[in-house]
Amino acid sequence: DVKVTQSSRYLVKRTGEKVFLECVQDMDHENMFWYRQDPGLGLRLIYFSYDVKMKEKGDIPEGYSVSREKKERFSLILESASTNQTSMYLCASSPIGYRANSYEQYFGPGTRLTVT
Amino acid sequence: AQSVTQLGSHVSVSEGALVLLRCNYSSSVPPYLFWYVQYPNQGLQLLLKYTTGATLVKGINGFEAEFKKSETSFHLTKPSAHMSDAAEYFCAVSDHYTDKLIFGTGTRLQVFP
Repeated sequence: DVKVTQSSRYLVKRTGEKVFLECVQDMDHENMFWYRQDPGLGLRLIYFSYDVKMKEKGDIPEGYSVSREKKERFSLILESASTNQTSMYLCASSPIGYRANSYEQYFGPGTRLTVT
Repeated sequence: AQSVTQLGSHVSVSEGALVLLRCNYSSSVPPYLFWYVQYPNQGLQLLLKYTTGATLVKGINGFEAEFKKSETSFHLTKPSAHMSDAAEYFCAVSDHYTDKLIFGTGTRLQVFP
């Protein structure tokens, strides 16, 4: 079974703090994703990585950065947390679609971040 | 560009009743389509997916969905709702060029006894 783990289930941080959210997958997937989920807005893509050290901005990258130094690990960084970044953060991974003939993404359990 | 529309942000049914969650998509290429379920305070779990071939797809927990190209739809159904089906459901379409999934805004299913 594919396993995607996230470093924390719940996190409370103060405004202005630097926040690191870690994601690890154990299936040797090339692709990794960070989403945020807010009521009524569904899942919005923050950043996408298709290889080590490679990244691509998603729909809402402002205020976030990412790091992928190893294939299995993808980190989301909030340089200076703000209250409007209070949200559920979901990490996912997938193989290269056309090679696997599948675009299925595998999700971690999520991190509920509160910024006060 | 691909997009997904889920009609109805909230759906309520009685236990034992039919569940119907609607999803319409737009795609410039033959789509791969997905339904995911999210239980409270958890990540997303794949319910079922359509890639190619048979247009009626069966998934876990008794759910199924039918790909209708002419209607650009991929509605999710279950003949008899169970209390444990209460969750949020997301429809998604693949972007073949980038490996991304485009998600709908979700439908929250409530099941009443």
